[in-house]
Amino acid sequence: AQSVTQLDSHVSVSEGTPVLLRCNYSSSYSPSLFWYVQHPNKGLQLLLKYTSAATLVKGINGFEAEFKKSETSFHLTKPSAHMSDAAEYFCVVSKGTYKYIFGTGTRLKVLA
Amino acid sequence: DAGITQSPRHKVTETGTPVTLRCHQTENHRYMYWYRQDPGHGLRLIHYSYGVKDTDKGEVSDGYSVSRSKTEDFLLTLESATSSQTSVYFCAISRLAGEQYFGPGTRLTVT
Repeated sequence: AQSVTQLDSHVSVSEGTPVLLRCNYSSSYSPSLFWYVQHPNKGLQLLLKYTSAATLVKGINGFEAEFKKSETSFHLTKPSAHMSDAAEYFCVVSKGTYKYIFGTGTRLKVLA
Repeated sequence: DAGITQSPRHKVTETGTPVTLRCHQTENHRYMYWYRQDPGHGLRLIHYSYGVKDTDKGEVSDGYSVSRSKTEDFLLTLESATSSQTSVYFCAISRLAGEQYFGPGTRLTVT
């Protein structure tokens, strides 16, 4: 069975410092993995996706994620946080059909 | 932004009344989904559709039904609303195995 665990429910960083949001997944076969961002009172927006091509995936707004099969991880990073990055982030795993499993989310707070 | 709209955007209703939420897309995507979002639970799948008149249940389908008579419209009906169905509802679309695109959400309050 597939599952996804976001290891931190809340993360706080200072503006200009690196961001690390952690995601571990469980899948018996090669999954597709996604990160989405949700700003307050908005829908979810795709940040990036991994679909078995390059293991380092670059997304929008300077975010990137690395697929590590040996660690079953897909952590999201950004070198320098901006105030506008404050939002909730969701890691999602899919086995390649219609079914998507969502993590419970990580709320990122950016301090001035 | 993907062409997905949801209506209404906000609704307050009383316990026991039927409620229908509408999702409309202009992208001609085959797959459509209804999720609910509640604090601490992420998004949970209610129902999904893999084509016109082809639908199936998700993990939290009790008390909900759906219909899809046209590619572009996916309706979610709460047969008899309960307070536990107070939530934010999101519609999403996708192609097979692709990323999902989400609508802006409907905030439903059942009093």
